[in-house]
Amino acid sequence: EIVMTQSPATLSVSPGERATLSCRASQSVSSNLAWYQQKPGQAPRLLIYGASTRATGIPARFSGSGSGTEFTLTISSLQSEDSAVYYCQQYNTWPPPITFGQGTRLEIK
Amino acid sequence: QVQLVESGGGLVKPGGSLRLSCAASGFTFSDYYMNWIRQAPGKGLEWVSYISSSGTTRYYADSLKGRFTISRDNAKNSLYLQMNSLRAEDTAVYYCAREKDTFDYWGQGTLVTVSS
Repeated sequence: EIVMTQSPATLSVSPGERATLSCRASQSVSSNLAWYQQKPGQAPRLLIYGASTRATGIPARFSGSGSGTEFTLTISSLQSEDSAVYYCQQYNTWPPPITFGQGTRLEIK
Repeated sequence: QVQLVESGGGLVKPGGSLRLSCAASGFTFSDYYMNWIRQAPGKGLEWVSYISSSGTTRYYADSLKGRFTISRDNAKNSLYLQMNSLRAEDTAVYYCAREKDTFDYWGQGTLVTVSS
């Protein structure tokens, strides 16, 4: 099973600044990496797939990069509504299991 | 618009059974793979099970040890999860999710609580 490790566990950033979230895979997942945003009491929402492609309706301030084992989600010009937990997920393994990182909690100061 | 609505959660005693449903609308259900994903209270996301568009191929997380069964009825645009021999550690919000490369749409989830 591929283990996904996210860092940091918690990130506190001021509005208007940039947040950088990291995700590392225990073995290569190529570009089969997605990022999700989850707000309290809500289902996760797909932000990024294919490591760098924004999902439908996702603002351009969200961007993803990386391939292989190292990935980054960057949120530029943070807004208060970006406060959430962010999960990475690999979907390179077939057959499953599909695995998620443990999440990064992003707090807006 | 795409909608996924889960139902069937609730309080069940250890060793009991529960059947979750997921009603799909706004897309051609029979064209898509579907999955169940769960989230224990205050914890992260855990993939539970996958079913192919026709229902002929199914996969499960190893941790379930054969206790859960995924199924679908394409005529009713519905996905199901039969959960047997439930344990306290199965307590979670269960989400159904459509798969297109990855999980592009999720339901709002249904809470399953296993407790005596």
